[in-house]
Amino acid sequence: EAGVAQSPRYKIIEKRQSVAFWCNPISGHATLYWYQQILGQGPKLLIQFQNNGVVDDSQLPKDRFSAERLKGVDSTLKIQPAKLEDSAVYLCASSLYSRDKNTEAFFGQGTRLTVV
Amino acid sequence: AQSVTQLDSQVPVFEEAPVELRCNYSSSVSVYLFWYVQYPNQGLQLLLKYLSGSTLVESINGFEAEFNKSQTSFHLRKPSVHISDTAEYFCAVRTGFQKLVFGTGTRLLVSP
Repeated sequence: EAGVAQSPRYKIIEKRQSVAFWCNPISGHATLYWYQQILGQGPKLLIQFQNNGVVDDSQLPKDRFSAERLKGVDSTLKIQPAKLEDSAVYLCASSLYSRDKNTEAFFGQGTRLTVV
Repeated sequence: AQSVTQLDSQVPVFEEAPVELRCNYSSSVSVYLFWYVQYPNQGLQLLLKYLSGSTLVESINGFEAEFNKSQTSFHLRKPSVHISDTAEYFCAVRTGFQKLVFGTGTRLLVSP
């Protein structure tokens, strides 16, 4: 079974530039997450999709971050314009949807973003 | 809203010694609990998860965690660690709506 695919693995941009990350979840997984992991910290949930609808985006800085999941499959996360503090690893994860069962989230390798 | 506390940012231990990584959570509803491991430059991998009905859960590589509802804890233990266990360990909690919240992580450093 193929895992969660993310690209690119690494990205270096200057502040105020734009950047986009792509994620392809495991086939059949209705739930998709984007996390931001700053060095030395735990992953912070940015946005959670259920199919192509947003379940939670309470911690997404909406003035500069946007995400979409057209057709309920793959997803893109965009930052425009980037700030120095956006330097982090951006993790995508997916899981089967189940309100009551203990379904685990599977993570991709992440995209390491460096803003200079 | 649920939250996770990992009090120890770093735990140094000698090879073959026992180790315990602490995790406490807070939530007003029933939760599901997870431990993830992250090796250098890699993504998060599930180590073990709490299944309702059994308070002690085990992983295939010798780790175990015990769910204690009265103390709202889910500590991770291993009776004898190996050099290859050196990694970052994250405790996570999820509610029925599947919002998955992570702790700040504990770096386990195993030395010879």
